Amino acid sequence: GAGVSQSPSNKVTEKGKDVELRCDPISGHTALYWYRQRLGQGLEFLIYFQGNSAPDKSGLPSDRFSAERTGESVSTLTIQRTQQEDSAVYLCASSLMGPGLVTGELFFGEGSRLTVL
Amino acid sequence: GNSVTQMEGPVTLSEEAFLTINCTYTATGYPSLFWYVQYPGEGLQLLLKATKADDKGSNKGFEATYRKETTSFHLEKGSVQVSDSAVYFCALSVYPDDKIIFGKGTRLHILP
Repeated sequence: GAGVSQSPSNKVTEKGKDVELRCDPISGHTALYWYRQRLGQGLEFLIYFQGNSAPDKSGLPSDRFSAERTGESVSTLTIQRTQQEDSAVYLCASSLMGPGLVTGELFFGEGSRLTVL
Repeated sequence: GNSVTQMEGPVTLSEEAFLTINCTYTATGYPSLFWYVQYPGEGLQLLLKATKADDKGSNKGFEATYRKETTSFHLEKGSVQVSDSAVYFCALSVYPDDKIIFGKGTRLHILP
């Protein structure tokens, strides 16, 4: 498709398990972002990729969270040893523009809803 | 730090009513301001933006004016429709940061 694609759309897991969330950005978009949205909260920035490198990892909440991007395309967000507070919708966005984003537009996927029991 | 505060929802209006969703910001630099919208079952999408003071962003009948003196970017529409029912997010970006900071979102319900 032409938009940002995320999978799975829904994931239910048990506390302590690892999960992987996948994002396919729009073809040609060099910048890729991960956000988290907990119930009743705003979008919380997690990490940003320019190409395959991550100049800004400041939003990752703990060392249980990691992300990678390969081929300037697909990105995977991995959460190890999940906790109940990790339950949220994880949103991926991509953009044509990278460093110095001021007026650029982010294109979002529909999100992956993670529930940790 | 940089942050966005927007009015809490849900906001419920009748069709053809006037809409205002308040948004104020705090920024260490000179921000660009955005409104994003999330329709049911869809991803967030940019609704409008403004990059300097006194600019007015507009799209689909919605407007917002960048007010530096009041650090505000309120969203308005003169006559809402049922199809405007969605969640609206106010957001900002401050150069040279590469991320957009979002508010908590305001859910809007329009009754026919």
